[in-house]
Amino acid sequence: QVQLQESGPGLVKPSQTLSLTCTVSGGSISSGGSYWSWIRQHPGKGLEWIGYIYHSGSTYYNPSLKSRVTISVDTSKNQFSLKLNSVTAADTAVYYCAREGGEAATFPLFDYWGQGTLVTVSS
Amino acid sequence: QSVLTQPPSVSAAPGQKVTISCSGSSSNIGNNYVSWYQQLPGTAPQLLIYDNNKRPSWIPDRFSGSKSGTSATLGITGLQTGDEADYYCGTWDSSLSARNWVFGGGTKLTVL
Repeated sequence: QVQLQESGPGLVKPSQTLSLTCTVSGGSISSGGSYWSWIRQHPGKGLEWIGYIYHSGSTYYNPSLKSRVTISVDTSKNQFSLKLNSVTAADTAVYYCAREGGEAATFPLFDYWGQGTLVTVSS
Repeated sequence: QSVLTQPPSVSAAPGQKVTISCSGSSSNIGNNYVSWYQQLPGTAPQLLIYDNNKRPSWIPDRFSGSKSGTSATLGITGLQTGDEADYYCGTWDSSLSARNWVFGGGTKLTVL
């Protein structure tokens, strides 16, 4: 059973960089066909996809965040990371890491999620 | 403003049936498959329906999905209090870039 766990600071100052890491257990991040994603949820709001990375390092980002986002992968540690720079209060949200998989499916889906971590942007 | 449109809330009595709609366009639902996610209070979303109408093996057949044109629908029968949650639809949108995931704003289900 694949498990994901987010880690990182819960408080970030405005204009600084938000940095989170997702540790994958119960499976290899290098397994073919899986894309490793970051998704956020503003307080009381819906889900917003941030972007994802393939184990090769290929990335896809939400165009609305692309200028501020970097997602990287460390296959040796079975981890992938999110960096969001120049944060403002509008970036306060619960950040989830998730696996886009679905080997038995016709179309991609998010089948494994971390528990989420609240990041507050405040001075 | 979410790309996919869902009603903010729906409600029904225990044992009854409810449907949740998800409306999009040709750049998303119209040309892609839809998945649905259930988010119980205080927890992460979990997969409920994929490929428009397929259920993971652990999801009871009280949950169903369908798609027609640029809209998708989640159906829940035999409502239970444990079904109270937020429900989200999701798919790709190709209007800006390939593999760009979009979600609905979520629908809060209340079982009266």
